[in-house]
Amino acid sequence: GAVVSQHPSWVICKSGTSVKIECRSLDFQATTMFWYRQFPKQSLMLMATSNEGSKATYEQGVEKDKFLINHASLTLSTLTVTSAHPEDSSFYICSAGRLAGVHEQFFGPGTRLTVL
Amino acid sequence: LAKTTQPISMDSYEGQEVNITCSHNNIATNDYITWYQQFPSQGPRFIIQGYKTKVTNEVASLFIPADRKSSTLSLPRVSLSDTAVYYCLVGDSAGTYKYIFGTGTRLKVLA
Repeated sequence: GAVVSQHPSWVICKSGTSVKIECRSLDFQATTMFWYRQFPKQSLMLMATSNEGSKATYEQGVEKDKFLINHASLTLSTLTVTSAHPEDSSFYICSAGRLAGVHEQFFGPGTRLTVL
Repeated sequence: LAKTTQPISMDSYEGQEVNITCSHNNIATNDYITWYQQFPSQGPRFIIQGYKTKVTNEVASLFIPADRKSSTLSLPRVSLSDTAVYYCLVGDSAGTYKYIFGTGTRLKVLA
């Protein structure tokens, strides 16, 4: 099956710094990728839709200037958490969509961000 | 708002069949129904997908009635390793398949 990877798998940073998370579709091309965040014991919350070659579409309440998304190629999307604060500590998950008869979405393993 | 409603949690014993029902009253004509499994600190993993009637694969069955307003995931003979959160999702009919996650069902399998 299709594989989506994320890097890094976990990161610890100081408050005020920026952190970049990469999401790659390893064996298929993804024109659309999605970014989610998940707090402990809660469900996934969609943050934004990342479209290759165009601006991301953010969900209501998600600050686009804080969570910068770049989808420069058909296999790579990046999420940059700018000026991170402890409340940004969360589990960030990406997914990539592939149309193969029916639409399938494949999720990455997630990135654990801890902001001190 | 999530498009789906599921029980928050369920308990079962090893070897039993588990059925998790999901309501999606506003499902659109082009929407598919997909179930994912998630273990702690991992991304969701695809289990099964269907449009109508019954779908079966090596790990589960999916039952969808004619009106498609609900669906039931059936896990035969669960084991301890099936303890996880199970999410029912319907695809966005606009074609982007943007998933809005509901609460999911936290399944606990007991020995």
